[in-house]
Amino acid sequence: EIVLTQSPDTLSLSPGDRATLSCRASQSVRSNYLAWYQHKLGQAPRLLIDNASRRAPGIPDRFSGSGSGTDFTLTISRLEPEDSAVYYCQRYDTSLWTFGRGTKVEI
Amino acid sequence: QVQLVESGGGSVKPGGSLRLSCAASGFIFRNYYMNWIRQAPGKGLEWVSYITSNGDAVFYADSVKGRFTISRDNAGNSLYLQMNGLRADDTAVYYCARANYGLDYWGQGTLVAVSS
Repeated sequence: EIVLTQSPDTLSLSPGDRATLSCRASQSVRSNYLAWYQHKLGQAPRLLIDNASRRAPGIPDRFSGSGSGTDFTLTISRLEPEDSAVYYCQRYDTSLWTFGRGTKVEI
Repeated sequence: QVQLVESGGGSVKPGGSLRLSCAASGFIFRNYYMNWIRQAPGKGLEWVSYITSNGDAVFYADSVKGRFTISRDNAGNSLYLQMNGLRADDTAVYYCARANYGLDYWGQGTLVAVSS
C-alpha cells in the first residue's frame, strides 16, 4: 500500500508567518505527480499545486510547492487569516490516487 | 464556467444501494478523467475511484472494490457511482472532481448516510 505521511498534524501560526507543510511518500512518486489542496469547512476542496510545483490558475504566489521523489513541501509565505484550512497532499501517478491525512493550519 | 453538480445522496440502511450522479457542464466532458472522492464525518479526504476519459479503464480504492461501480455517459455529460452493499463506514460527503493532472474542479458534494 502506498502511503502519504503529512506532518505536522497541526500548525498554529500568526498572520504574516511562513508555514512549511511536509508530505512524504512511502514510494517514489513518478514524474512528480503530486498535488496539494486546501479544504475549508463546508466548501469543496481547492487545488493549489500540481506536478509538485505548478501553481493552479488563480492561486496567489504566496503558495509554493517543491520536492521530488518521496519528499514534498508546501510553503505558504506571509500567512493571511483566510489561509486557515486543512491542507492535503495527493499522488496521482498510479492506479490508486492516495491522499495524505492532512495538516490543519490555524491562524 | 466549469460546473459539477452531484445528486443522489440520502439515507440508506446497511446493505442497501444508492446511485450517485454528477452532472458536468462548461467543458468538454469526454476529454477528461473523472473521480469520486469522499470525506467521512471528522475524517480526511479519501479517494474512491476514477474513470478514464472514454471509460475504458476504472480504478477503485481497496475499501470500495467489489461494491462500488463507476461509470460515465459522455453523450449526456454525466458521471455515476453505483454503490451496493453499503456499510456504516461509507457514510460521507461524496464529491465528483475533474482530473487535469491534479483535481482542478470539484462539485459541492452529496451526503450519503448509512445507518440502521
